[in-house]
Amino acid sequence: DAKTTQPTSMDCAEGRAANLPCNHSTISGNEYVYWYRQIHSQGPQYIIHGLKNNETNEMASLIITEDRKSSTLILPHATLRDTAVYYCIVTKDGAGNMLTFGGGTRLMVKP
Amino acid sequence: GAVVSQHPSWVICKSGTSVKIECRSLDFQATTMFWYRQFPKQSLMLMATSNEGSKATYEQGVEKDKFLINHASLTLSTLTVTSAHPEDSSFYICSAREATAGNRPQHFGDGTRLSIL
Repeated sequence: DAKTTQPTSMDCAEGRAANLPCNHSTISGNEYVYWYRQIHSQGPQYIIHGLKNNETNEMASLIITEDRKSSTLILPHATLRDTAVYYCIVTKDGAGNMLTFGGGTRLMVKP
Repeated sequence: GAVVSQHPSWVICKSGTSVKIECRSLDFQATTMFWYRQFPKQSLMLMATSNEGSKATYEQGVEKDKFLINHASLTLSTLTVTSAHPEDSSFYICSAREATAGNRPQHFGDGTRLSIL
C-alpha cells in the first residue's frame, strides 16, 4: 500500500472549516484514499473514502487532486467534538485488505 | 450503518491470567476481521488478520501462541491473550468489513483497554 504523509498537528477555530491535507504521491491506480479519525480512548471512526472523484457525505468532503497524489479532507464547520487524530490511509479495495495507520494529524478545534 | 461491538471495554487482571476479548459484527457478516494494538501516544499497529474458518495470519513479531485468535463464525472473532504480563498492557482494537461488499469501509470496535498488574 502507498505511504501517506500528513502534518503532525493542526488547529482550527470552532465553526470554521478544517482542511486536512494528505500526500500520497506513490498511490497506484487501484488504491483508494480512506479517512478515519480517532477520538481519545475510542476505536477509529470511518469518515469518507474515494478513488478519484471528489466525495461528500454528512460528515465531510474529500477532494482528490487530478493526479491523485494528494487529497484534502474538509470538515465544513468544525466543532469541539471534532478534536481527534485524523488518519489518511491508502489501500486497495477488498474485504481482506488491512489498513496501515501512520501518525495521522492531531486536529485541535478551539473555541 | 455497520456496527462492530467489542467486549469487554476495560479489563484489569493479575499477571499470568489469560484474557479473552470478543469482536462482533452486529448487522453484517465478515469473513475477515483484523486485530490491532495501540500503545500510549502511538498509532494502531496490526497484530493479525482473522479469517473465518481458518487460521489467523500474524504480523511479524506477534507471537501466535500468546495471542490466540479464533474466528468461528461470520460475526464473531475472539482474541485471547494467554498468560498476560504487564508488557501486554495496551489498547486492543478490532475491525471488520462486510464479506460480500465491494468498495466498503472497515468499521472498528471501541477497543478494549487491558491493564495487567
